[in-house]
Amino acid sequence: NAGVMQNPRHLVRRRGQEARLRCSPMKGHSHVYWYRQLPEEGLKFMVYLQKENIIDESGMPKERFSAEFPKEGPSILRIQQVVRGDSAAYFCASSQGVTDTQYFGPGTRLTVL
Amino acid sequence: EDQVTQSPEALRLQEGESSSLNCSYTVSGLRGLFWYRQDPGKGPEFLFTLYSAGEEKEKERLKATLTKKESFLHITAPKPEDSATYLCAVRGSGNTGKLIFGQGTTLQVKP
Repeated sequence: NAGVMQNPRHLVRRRGQEARLRCSPMKGHSHVYWYRQLPEEGLKFMVYLQKENIIDESGMPKERFSAEFPKEGPSILRIQQVVRGDSAAYFCASSQGVTDTQYFGPGTRLTVL
Repeated sequence: EDQVTQSPEALRLQEGESSSLNCSYTVSGLRGLFWYRQDPGKGPEFLFTLYSAGEEKEKERLKATLTKKESFLHITAPKPEDSATYLCAVRGSGNTGKLIFGQGTTLQVKP
């Protein structure tokens, strides 16, 4: 019984490189959410996706960040040209429907050198 | 603007010493208030969902209650393994499923 899976668990990038974070939702879940937790801050919503569609990206920075949830495969959060301020824990959550409980993955901890 | 404030920021208890954590919220059209537990280095673990004022839910030593302006997480006779950060979140109107989180309360229970 797999919960929400995220990989990698830890990712180190140098400034200017690209970071790709993957999220596989729980079985039967078609709604995926990405949140970011900066050091000493709370969880902040970034983006909400359903299969092949971005529903709400109001929390995502306008530049360098993008997300997708293709018909096949995991959801991907992509950060281009990373900067030190991108260092954070990125969590993915999934739900069966938009009004249902969101279950979180273990997170990817991104460190930008 | 939807907002969630949790208090206290940190709480130290002796084993067996009961207490409550507070979550005050401002949201347009509450469509769910959620409690999660987060251990260091891990993702939030779901505890409870409350939908309407007066609703209560219990699980082992934890009990969550909801009013029109705030929610309480009551911890009865806590044990050291209850030590964690407890997060409160709300979902407002709109069809995005977006959760607004508070800063959390870090609980430490000493034996």
